[in-house]
Amino acid sequence: KQEVTQIPAALSVPEGENLVLNCSFTDSAIYNLQWFRQDPGKGLTSLLLIQSSQREQTSGRLNASLDKSSGRSTLYIAASQPGDSATYLCAVEDNYGQNFVFGPGTRLSVLP
Amino acid sequence: GAVVSQHPSRVICKSGTSVKIECRSLDFQATTMFWYRQFPKKSLMLMATSNEGSKATYEQGVEKDKFLINHASLTLSTLTVTSAHPEDSSFYICSAPLREGSYEQYFGPGTRLTVT
Repeated sequence: KQEVTQIPAALSVPEGENLVLNCSFTDSAIYNLQWFRQDPGKGLTSLLLIQSSQREQTSGRLNASLDKSSGRSTLYIAASQPGDSATYLCAVEDNYGQNFVFGPGTRLSVLP
Repeated sequence: GAVVSQHPSRVICKSGTSVKIECRSLDFQATTMFWYRQFPKKSLMLMATSNEGSKATYEQGVEKDKFLINHASLTLSTLTVTSAHPEDSSFYICSAPLREGSYEQYFGPGTRLTVT
């Protein structure tokens, strides 16, 4: 059974810092991995999608990497801003169907 | 833990027909539920926010007349795909926060819609 963990559970940084969020999964047989952003009371916003054959994806100040063999992904946020404050979730989709397993999330606070 | 169910898990329908997908929170009440869809090899995309007792809020580019959402009770939201076309074939998934404004969300298992 696939399990997804995220470290740290919460993170507070001053504005302007670069930061890394970590995601680990136990079963490397994944179809893809996605990073999402979640604001309180809101739905998920998809940030980046990495197919299993890819190693990284970039969008603006965000860069996500995937090391499938070791079961890890990182989300790098450059030059953080207060508007980046949210919970960030990673989710893996398995190879056997569209079964999503979400991590518990990392709650990020960027202080002005 | 909290459980969200969806019904049906898979459905095949003909073009022009309507399909209703149900999302239920089984052991908690949800004033808000979210509907997502995913195309193959694409990200999970938020379609709309379903609000109990009021109209749903749709994301930009989502046709509200095509994807009818009814939050009938504190434990049930339905998504009806009207006059379905093959391009509506997708994976639809709902989620519900455990408490209003909470980060903690629970996802349904999803519904695979195929329109022939």
